[in-house]
Amino acid sequence: GDSVTQMEGPVTLSEEAFLTINCTYTATGYPSLFWYVQYPGEGLQLLLKATKADDKGSNKGFEATYRKETTSFHLEKGSVQVSDSAVYFCALSDSTDSWGKLQFGAGTQVVVTP
Amino acid sequence: GAGVSQSPRYKVAKRGQDVALRCDPISGHVSLFWYQQALGQGPEFLTYFQNEAQLDKSGLPSDRFFAERPEGSVSTLKIQRTQQEDSAVYLCASTLGAVETQYFGPGTRLLVL
Repeated sequence: GDSVTQMEGPVTLSEEAFLTINCTYTATGYPSLFWYVQYPGEGLQLLLKATKADDKGSNKGFEATYRKETTSFHLEKGSVQVSDSAVYFCALSDSTDSWGKLQFGAGTQVVVTP
Repeated sequence: GAGVSQSPRYKVAKRGQDVALRCDPISGHVSLFWYQQALGQGPEFLTYFQNEAQLDKSGLPSDRFFAERPEGSVSTLKIQRTQQEDSAVYLCASTLGAVETQYFGPGTRLLVL
């Protein structure tokens, strides 16, 4: 079945550091890929998405490129801020699924210190 | 507000009690999903509604879990005879249509003692 694997946290960084969170997937069809973010005390929010190979999703300085050859969708940000402290979830929606239900990774906690 | 709301935000139940968790989706959203998020894990799919029709309940872990959306708007997830392993955050998400961006509520944190 489909699955998403992302790097374990917590990831602790200093402000203005470069952030990478690795995400790889397995899927039977041609999935759409997502990054969701959960800030403390808040619900999951869509951060960015990509729907086909080589697409790049971007938002709020974050980027991720859909790499079919490596089945990866790594999240990157060039200069993090304290406000980026959150839990980040990689997810997929398989094209064989009619409803678009999401399969999530376990999440990666990111802590940014001043 | 215009977002997805869930109530209660926190629920403590004794083992064996029945609980009901409510989700109010964004107005006009046709599709509604329920997910279960165990501590330290990502959300896992439970069930899907399109309007009032429950089209997918493949993720419900046992027959103690059932969900309804009788008028195609508010949904209730009911857990009968709760067990400790039911302790989790239950998330609701809605979308305008199938295979669209899902908007999540804040979740209900259920603790079964």
